[in-house]
Amino acid sequence: EVQLVESGGGLVQPGASLKLSCVASGFTFSDYWMSWVRQTPGKTMEWIGDIKYDGSYTNYAPSLKNRFTISRDNAKSTLYLQMSNVRSEDTATYYCTTTAFAYWGQGTLVTVSS
Amino acid sequence: DVVMTQTPVSLSVAIGQPASISCKSSQSLVGTSGKTYLNWLLQRPGQSPKRLIYLVSKLDSGIPDRFSGSGSETDFTLKISRVEADDLGVYYCLQGTHFPYTFGAGTKLELK
Repeated sequence: EVQLVESGGGLVQPGASLKLSCVASGFTFSDYWMSWVRQTPGKTMEWIGDIKYDGSYTNYAPSLKNRFTISRDNAKSTLYLQMSNVRSEDTATYYCTTTAFAYWGQGTLVTVSS
Repeated sequence: DVVMTQTPVSLSVAIGQPASISCKSSQSLVGTSGKTYLNWLLQRPGQSPKRLIYLVSKLDSGIPDRFSGSGSETDFTLKISRVEADDLGVYYCLQGTHFPYTFGAGTKLELK
């Protein structure tokens, strides 16, 4: 059974950095592209970016490219999202998903507030 | 960015009745491979999104054939032939053809 478990969310101050993790199981993690998607409190969905199966290539939403970085550790079957200089508008639930959005984790909530 | 326009915003349907949701894209979703990367997702209350349909009309494993997807180029439709209580939630269309990938604003399906 495919499982994706995100962690690392919480309350963070504006301007701070935060790193989210997503541990995958139930499939060969190193064979698949992976994506991060976020959902705002108003339920708007936004694709953040994705990463190639070997970590050699990434794509990002242009509006987030300068502040967010996606990486992976295939030995640990773990996907990461490094967020820097966070803003109130980054408040959202962050999901990791598999190739073509076939499977989703349960999400981790990030709240940016002073 | 490709704008995905979903209608209606909400839908009230009685159990056993059909439902239909439209999704229109601001540009063709046919990719260079010739494939059309249009997905439909369902987010039930309190849950993560779940993919129901990919490549316009292909049902994911375990999805009942009450669900069907159709369309081409810029115009797509999700149909439920007979709504059941388990179908309640918010439906999103999602295009995976053009970067950045983009979502519709969602259609909330409620019981009448």
